[in-house]
Amino acid sequence: EAGVTQFPSHSVIEKGQTVTLRCDPISGHDNLYWYRRVMGKEIKFLLHFVKESKQDESGMPNNRFLAERTGGTYSTLKVQPAELEDSGVYFCASSQDRQGQQYFGPGTRLTVT
Amino acid sequence: GNSVTQMEGPVTLSEEAFLTINCTYTATGYPSLFWYVQYPGEGLQLLLKATKADDKGSNKGFEATYRKETTSFHLEKGSVQVSDSAVYFCALSVLSSGTYKYIFGTGTRLKVLA
Repeated sequence: EAGVTQFPSHSVIEKGQTVTLRCDPISGHDNLYWYRRVMGKEIKFLLHFVKESKQDESGMPNNRFLAERTGGTYSTLKVQPAELEDSGVYFCASSQDRQGQQYFGPGTRLTVT
Repeated sequence: GNSVTQMEGPVTLSEEAFLTINCTYTATGYPSLFWYVQYPGEGLQLLLKATKADDKGSNKGFEATYRKETTSFHLEKGSVQVSDSAVYFCALSVLSSGTYKYIFGTGTRLKVLA
């Protein structure tokens, strides 16, 4: 069974540009989560999808971040415009049930210069 | 609020040394507790977990016991190997706003020398 995959593995962009990160959850997992680790700090929750609906987006830092999950399969996280403080590693996770174990992807390392 | 505190790194040990990485938590209710590991160039992998008080999670020679009285979940291994070099994250799962969120510590980098 394929795990959670994320693309790209690494992205380097300039301040003010736009970047879109993609996450493909484990097949059949209705729940999809985004987390990020900034500047070597703790990994923090960003938001949670149940199928295509946003269940909880309380962790989204500001309106420069837009997450979508059209069709309830893969998800994208767009940062527009990117700022220096957005640099970090963005992790995606998925789970079959709401309270089930979350399986994490390898992460996308975003560097904003 | 809910939080996880784990010991600062980096931790540098010689091969076959005993490892302890401390983790304490603050949470309402009875969270599940986890240790995740991130090897160089790889993603987060679940190392072990415990879902209730006094449970002991174990995997690959690592152990951690859910101690409710001290709100701790310290990670231990009796004899570390070079291949254990990685970043270790302590985490808890808490229900908030209808979502089971994982709350992570800052991570502890372990370096094991041959």
